[in-house]
Amino acid sequence: QSVLTQPPSVSGAPGQRVTISCSGSSSNIGAGYDVQWYQQFPGTAPKLLIHANKYRPLGVPDRFSASKFGTSGTLVISGLQPEDEADYYCQSYDSSLSGSVVFGGGTKLTVL
Amino acid sequence: QVHLVQSGAEVKKPGASVKLSCRASGYTFTSNQMNWVRQAPGQGLEWMGVINPSGGSTSYAPKFQGRVTMTRDTSTSTVYMELSSLRSEDTAVYYCARAFLGNCMSSSCPSDYWGQGTRVTVSS
Repeated sequence: QSVLTQPPSVSGAPGQRVTISCSGSSSNIGAGYDVQWYQQFPGTAPKLLIHANKYRPLGVPDRFSASKFGTSGTLVISGLQPEDEADYYCQSYDSSLSGSVVFGGGTKLTVL
Repeated sequence: QVHLVQSGAEVKKPGASVKLSCRASGYTFTSNQMNWVRQAPGQGLEWMGVINPSGGSTSYAPKFQGRVTMTRDTSTSTVYMELSSLRSEDTAVYYCARAFLGNCMSSSCPSDYWGQGTRVTVSS
């Protein structure tokens, strides 16, 4: 059971817009800790997609955007492309139980 | 160019220990904390802990306290992660990942570079 809750799967057709939610609580996202997002393809290491809630590292297409509000973060992928099919993970910090970096359970994005 | 190169696959018996390495290059080794993250087959990412190569301080996830030890060798720009009392549930790919902002010991911190992963299989 992950501290951060993500939908197990989402899907969309090419060109569509999809959102992936990351629901936390008052001890993590709601406490003001930043949310990061990672993209992972099968058999490869995760790649940082978004850091500090909304900032894209160099090289990440602007089709990827994110926001944070209250106890949740949201990743938005606009103009979906077939190569976006991957697993997506959110990450934050939880201050309970002596503190720890925490990940969401991951969301499998399928491009129809 | 930043590179994190991890040691090769390991097969261990239950109860044994495993020590993995992660050699960093392309940046000042002591300037960035290093996380260890694992991923069991078909499962999500799980944070194990972090080491600050400058000074060697560590912070471990509660789940691994008492079983994990992270160390570093500044002369070779290498961090190590040792996990003891292995059980089948520890079968996973283990990643080292460089933190590039923030203090992972007290706040959320993004990891911008990741090693290629080391597969650890625990089986009798």
